[in-house]
Amino acid sequence: DAGITQSPRYKITETGRQVTLMCHQTWSHSYMFWYRQDLGHGLRLIYYSAAADITDKGEVSDGYVVSRSKTENFPLTLESATRSQTSVYFCASSEWGHGYTFGSGTRLTVV
Amino acid sequence: KNQVEQSPQSLIILEGKNCTLQCNYTVSPFSNLRWYKQDTGRGPVSLTIMTFSENTKSNGRYTATLDADTKQSSLHITASQLSDSASYICVVSLDSNYQLIWGAGTKLIIKP
Repeated sequence: DAGITQSPRYKITETGRQVTLMCHQTWSHSYMFWYRQDLGHGLRLIYYSAAADITDKGEVSDGYVVSRSKTENFPLTLESATRSQTSVYFCASSEWGHGYTFGSGTRLTVV
Repeated sequence: KNQVEQSPQSLIILEGKNCTLQCNYTVSPFSNLRWYKQDTGRGPVSLTIMTFSENTKSNGRYTATLDADTKQSSLHITASQLSDSASYICVVSLDSNYQLIWGAGTKLIIKP
């Protein structure tokens, strides 16, 4: 099915562990984004990508790593998870100047 | 500082009633203003996108307005339905595709 899918939907991990959140889109949109959403805050940009092999940091990129070897995939890795990274993570895709299409989110809990 | 402020923080109305949500922004340079609807546990869904030259845009029962002079936008919902219960987020885009300034949202609850 066409769309943007995130996995896993829920994840519990321990402090210090590495964890990867997956994002896959089927539209061949150029742009992909990772956001985190915390209670009382607007969405905050972690990383974005304008095309395969082109990525750049957002406002809250510390502790996160991304890659984009293929247009359709944009995984987000937490190198050493901390409790402050407990959040809901959203992946999105778009073409220039168009609205974003978001995935359903990954709820990550770091204990 | 680039900021988007939304009011009210939360709102409860009865099914069938109309409501208006407010968004004030201090963002420069301005490219466009977007409204998103976010259901609980889901990602945001785009409702409208307005550029500097547009002052109104509709999407079904949703009508967004933009006053670029006063840097204000509103989202009007007509004849509310239970399915309108969600958070509504105002987003202002700087002069690029990735520099979006997100408001914290207005949580709307529709009661039968």
